Amino acid sequence: QQQVKQSPQSLIVQKGGISIINCAYENTAFDYFPWYQQFPGKGPALLIAIRPDVSEKKEGRFTISFNKSAKQFSLHIMDSQPGDSATYFCAARAKGATNKLIFGTGTLLAVQP
Amino acid sequence: AAGVIQSPRHLIKEKRETATLKCYPIPRHDTVYWYQQGPGQDPQFLISFYEKMQSDKGSIPDRFSAQQFSDYHSELNMSSLELGDSALYFCASRTGRFVRGSGANVLTFGAGSRLTVL
Repeated sequence: QQQVKQSPQSLIVQKGGISIINCAYENTAFDYFPWYQQFPGKGPALLIAIRPDVSEKKEGRFTISFNKSAKQFSLHIMDSQPGDSATYFCAARAKGATNKLIFGTGTLLAVQP
Repeated sequence: AAGVIQSPRHLIKEKRETATLKCYPIPRHDTVYWYQQGPGQDPQFLISFYEKMQSDKGSIPDRFSAQQFSDYHSELNMSSLELGDSALYFCASRTGRFVRGSGANVLTFGAGSRLTVL
């Protein structure tokens, strides 16, 4: 059972456009929501993260929007560039315990020049 | 900056053979996580260690075992390999001690070990 649902599975965006990836969760024990970027053959790399007491976090061209009541969060990539082409995973971590991350199913983003 | 080091990067084994993957965490990181990522799949949590003790267990087959050593490096041992074990195996590390400041407890992943079982 997928604890963190992610959509879309793949996304094609023109250079300069906005890429939007959505995630939803059920477990209210989750208290930390990172996004990871993964290039082929590489390990996931942390992009940006948010805690549920904040509704939005922005770092450069990357923004996380968080809706606690709906249990949804999304990644927005502004001014998308070909170099952003990668697989993006949302993730969630339950408070306390061992801090393991539960990943979404991933979104393959292709930014066309 | 030092990163998480995994070895070997690539490994090819036959069915029913054994394989050992190694992970060297970032210096001063005492917590290690192992993840398995099948082709086109999301990383699945296998097992984690904190201060050399197993701290959590996920979907790790009984054929697999792991441990964390006194220098905090970790090894994942896989026996009776099956075709379905072919995957990327990632190790990630963090410090288990609370450190104030953004990013201080971030999970940092290694580049992975690609296991192919023939």
